[in-house]
Amino acid sequence: GAVVSQHPSRVICKSGTSVKIECRSLDFQATTMFWYRQFPKKSLMLMATSNEGSKATYEQGVEKDKFLINHASLTLSTLTVTSAHPEDSSFYICSATQGSPGQPQHFGDGTRLSIL
Amino acid sequence: EDQVTQSPEALRLQEGESSSLNCSYTVSGLRGLFWYRQDPGKGPEFLFTLYSAGEEKEKERLKATLTKKESFLHITAPKPEDSATYLCAVQGFNTNAGKSTFGDGTTLTVKP
Repeated sequence: GAVVSQHPSRVICKSGTSVKIECRSLDFQATTMFWYRQFPKKSLMLMATSNEGSKATYEQGVEKDKFLINHASLTLSTLTVTSAHPEDSSFYICSATQGSPGQPQHFGDGTRLSIL
Repeated sequence: EDQVTQSPEALRLQEGESSSLNCSYTVSGLRGLFWYRQDPGKGPEFLFTLYSAGEEKEKERLKATLTKKESFLHITAPKPEDSATYLCAVQGFNTNAGKSTFGDGTTLTVKP
């Protein structure tokens, strides 16, 4: 149980393109989803917390107009990287939790984004 | 602010050589301490949740233990397939919406 699917797994696109990444909880309702960025051989960097039906909460230093997050249902959150540039190239990972305090996060397999 | 420190940063073992990974934490009221395994190019995979000091959880060659200040992930007779980065995370009572604080991880390499 507790499976999270993230799609696509890899994206290569030109500078200036907007890219949408989907995160779905397949077998549970995810009250809260999280979006992370991970640099090579580094730990997870939290970008934002997403709650179903409300605006995402962004971490300090993360541009909300650049990284648009939508959590329209209890099973789907999306991250859109708008007007992507080479410095946005990274490994993006989503996670979902069932919402009760003390519950673990369940992670997708990540999206490798490469901006040329 | 919750803090998590993992040591060592990297650990190289021979197959069958048991060892432990450490996770030291500070948190204002522990809701849960979590261990994850991350393989290269993949998202972290949930392993264990520990809630109170003295608690232990086991899965195959892995055993996680918890005190009031730290957690250990014991690996008994490891195999090459146990090679991965192991992440520790805590969730405190002052944290909103299930958010966890992650350590930087320990990268384990098990040589045959």
